[in-house]
Amino acid sequence: AQSVSQHNHHVILSEAASLELGCNYSYGGTVNLFWYVQYPGQHLQLLLKYFSGDPLVKGIKGFEAEFIKSKFSFNLRKPSVQWSDTAEYFCAVIHFGNEKLTFGTGTRLTIIP
Amino acid sequence: DGGITQSPKYLFRKEGQNVTLSCEQNLNHDAMYWYRQDPGQGLRLIYYSQIVNDFQKGDIAEGYSVSREKKESFPLTVTSAQKNPTAFYLCASTPRQGAPWTEGYTFGSGTRLTVV
Repeated sequence: AQSVSQHNHHVILSEAASLELGCNYSYGGTVNLFWYVQYPGQHLQLLLKYFSGDPLVKGIKGFEAEFIKSKFSFNLRKPSVQWSDTAEYFCAVIHFGNEKLTFGTGTRLTIIP
Repeated sequence: DGGITQSPKYLFRKEGQNVTLSCEQNLNHDAMYWYRQDPGQGLRLIYYSQIVNDFQKGDIAEGYSVSREKKESFPLTVTSAQKNPTAFYLCASTPRQGAPWTEGYTFGSGTRLTVV
């Protein structure tokens, strides 16, 4: 069964710091990958997705992620975080032929003004 | 505006009582999903349905039941057999078969269930 690991459970950063959140998946076949964000009190929304082409994917609000197939990784990055980025971030994977996403355990990001 | 409505936002129930969580979508999506979110455990799939009158168990279906009598509605019942029902429950949907592969899900705002 496929699984997703997010090793950073809680990350605390100051505003303007750079961010990298780790995401590793276990499945070795063809996959698509997603990052979702859940702002306090709001529903999960799609931040960015990878399903082919350029392994460097750009999303909303200045976020980007790099798919490294050899490392089974899809880490999320942002060069300079803002207080409004405080949220929980979930990585998700789906393998070809499946109809269900598998989510990681999430990373809580706290930005200190 | 189109979207997924989950109601109520907060729900309290006594231990041993069944409770039904509502999920309604006006997106004309074919597939609907129920996930459970617990701190430190992420989202775990309970049930999903790709068409009306059909549904499949997810990874943690024990103690839950669902129905899909209408395309727009996918209610989840948390039964007394669920050992630890207190959690945040999320409903999601996708337009059609194959859409999760390219588009992922659209989520509702969730229901927080507390069993006392």
